[in-house]
Amino acid sequence: NAGVTQTPKFRILKIGQSMTLQCTQDMNHNYMYWYRQDPGMGLKLIYYSVGAGITDKGEVPNGYNVSRSTTEDFPLRLELAAPSQTSVYFCASRGPLYGYTFGSGTRLTVV
Amino acid sequence: DAKTTQPNSMESNEEEPVHLPCNHSTISGTDYIHWYRQLPSQGPEYVIHGLTSNVNNRMASLAIAEDRKSSTLILHRATLRDAAVYYCILRDSLGGGSQGNLIFGKGTKLSVKP
Repeated sequence: NAGVTQTPKFRILKIGQSMTLQCTQDMNHNYMYWYRQDPGMGLKLIYYSVGAGITDKGEVPNGYNVSRSTTEDFPLRLELAAPSQTSVYFCASRGPLYGYTFGSGTRLTVV
Repeated sequence: DAKTTQPNSMESNEEEPVHLPCNHSTISGTDYIHWYRQLPSQGPEYVIHGLTSNVNNRMASLAIAEDRKSSTLILHRATLRDAAVYYCILRDSLGGGSQGNLIFGKGTKLSVKP
């Protein structure tokens, strides 16, 4: 049971480039989330999804887009990378019980 | 969103108990108290949660004040592997839509000395 898998683990982007952070879970969870974590801070919610085809904004959605075409996958898209998007990104899922399962994170640097 | 207050940092000695406090004076009747921890360079992991009664699991115990305005996470014997940031989070038990989202604060950084 892999849980929540994020790829890539590390990435360096130039300003203005685009990329997609991949997230997949094999637990058949309906709820999925994207968070970002800046150094020394707690996690901030970017977007979340309550099921396939349904997404909604979190606390800090500007500069990001998401889609949820399947239960398993919840990719996060950065269209025009900016230095302010340098952060560690975590994907998570939640099933019928209360605990969230987090991925190991993607460390993104925008230069 | 209901908020929690935790100390920025705490220290413990290995193999001694650790009591991590959390204040949540604005907690509502349907809020569960959740604890997560984040080991260095990893994603957060679930530790424990409770509503009114004290809770125990293999990782920790959760002691909840009678008025529910505070709680304490108890690690019975700290190990070096318990060094992490511990987050106390309130989450609405109704859980639908944004009400079920976890809102993280800065947490308490626990250091464990050998």
